[in-house]
Amino acid sequence: GESVGLHLPTLSVQEGDNSIINCAYSNSASDYFIWYKQESGKGPQFIIDIRSNMDKRQGQRVTVLLNKTVKHLSLQIAATQPGDSAVYFCAENENSNYQLIWGAGTKLIIKP
Amino acid sequence: DVKVTQSSRYLVKRTGEKVFLECVQDMDHENMFWYRQDPGLGLRLIYFSYDVKMKEKGDIPEGYSVSREKKERFSLILESASTNQTSMYLCASSSQGRPLHFGNGTRLTVT
Repeated sequence: GESVGLHLPTLSVQEGDNSIINCAYSNSASDYFIWYKQESGKGPQFIIDIRSNMDKRQGQRVTVLLNKTVKHLSLQIAATQPGDSAVYFCAENENSNYQLIWGAGTKLIIKP
Repeated sequence: DVKVTQSSRYLVKRTGEKVFLECVQDMDHENMFWYRQDPGLGLRLIYFSYDVKMKEKGDIPEGYSVSREKKERFSLILESASTNQTSMYLCASSSQGRPLHFGNGTRLTVT
């Protein structure tokens, strides 16, 4: 998701449905991508990562897809639960240097 | 499980005060980072350190300094706090090539 002024992009999903959070990354030379989840009042928490030699990676209830052609990254959360409510950040890195480039975040809201 | 502990959850300081934010990690990570997080601006890197006594500027180092005298501890210093430094400050640590682990943040208000 891209930043829109001071307002985070928001995704509302029905509990039990699948969520797809999108991220457009900026650097075509980036070779490592990572998703973080930030719950209210907490620091970002690592969810899943992927290297540029892969286009898909699965974790527990989460899948990250990487499309290098269009510089697009997505996070899919299966069977969304209330505990998935958070802000989700994508980040990219080039050549294992120390600096991550962070997206602005997407707020995921779960509807009961 | 990696634990990154920031000494204060909330701080209120006055303009011109010297402010110390402390961060300790317990996993022997080489790298430590200080970010600030502001609405609409995401996470911005202030400083990082890849070894004891080593430091590198991030994207927004102005008005800040850091200290890393021991591997587990990384301090952020605001030499003379200003109201535009009111923010959420996040500390993180990592091993080379591994994901960052964050603390729960310090919300600093400068009045």
